[in-house]
Amino acid sequence: AQTVTQSQPEMSVQEAETVTLSCTYDTSESDYYLFWYKQPPSRQMILVIRQEAYKQQNATENRFSVNFQKAAKSFSLKISDSQLGDAAMYFCVEYNFNKFYFGSGTKLNVKP
Amino acid sequence: DTEVTQTPKHLVMGMTNKKSLKCEQHMGHRAMYWYKQKAKKPPELMFVYSYEKLSINESVPSRFSPECPNSSLLNLHLHALQPEDSALYLCASSQDRQIITEAFFGQGTRLTVV
Repeated sequence: AQTVTQSQPEMSVQEAETVTLSCTYDTSESDYYLFWYKQPPSRQMILVIRQEAYKQQNATENRFSVNFQKAAKSFSLKISDSQLGDAAMYFCVEYNFNKFYFGSGTKLNVKP
Repeated sequence: DTEVTQTPKHLVMGMTNKKSLKCEQHMGHRAMYWYKQKAKKPPELMFVYSYEKLSINESVPSRFSPECPNSSLLNLHLHALQPEDSALYLCASSQDRQIITEAFFGQGTRLTVV
């Protein structure tokens, strides 16, 4: 079975500071996709950033960037200039074989 | 339109009731998913439909019965549920099982079984 591990159940960051959320995954496949989704208290699961495994270049999306280390099976999310609206549960997700595999989530608190 | 719409948003049902959850998308996506999410836990996959056919059933009890009447609509029929089935039920869609840009999620139905 695929395993996605998020070792940080909860993290806090000061507004305008930078925070990094960790994720490791375990797959034997060569072709897969990785995502970070956020789920605020409103329940809506929102895509933050996406990475195709065959691409070596790390994905970036405005204040969000990833550090994708394929050999190490590591996929961390860096949030720069943190904003109060970034407070949410963040899920690391792997897709292959028609399934989205979710990590256990990291709750991010943003302090004003 | 990049929305997945789920109705109802909240549902309270008795253990002898029959109810249905509805999910709709108009993005032309051909893969649709049902997830169950308990509080402070990640979503757990229940079912996957691909081109209106059930492709994955994660050993879900038969009291949950999915249905995909057309490419835009996904239903989850509920019957004789247990209190432990109370959870947030999320629907998602993606372009195709082979072409993955992202999964779009609905806001979920908060189900309470009494």
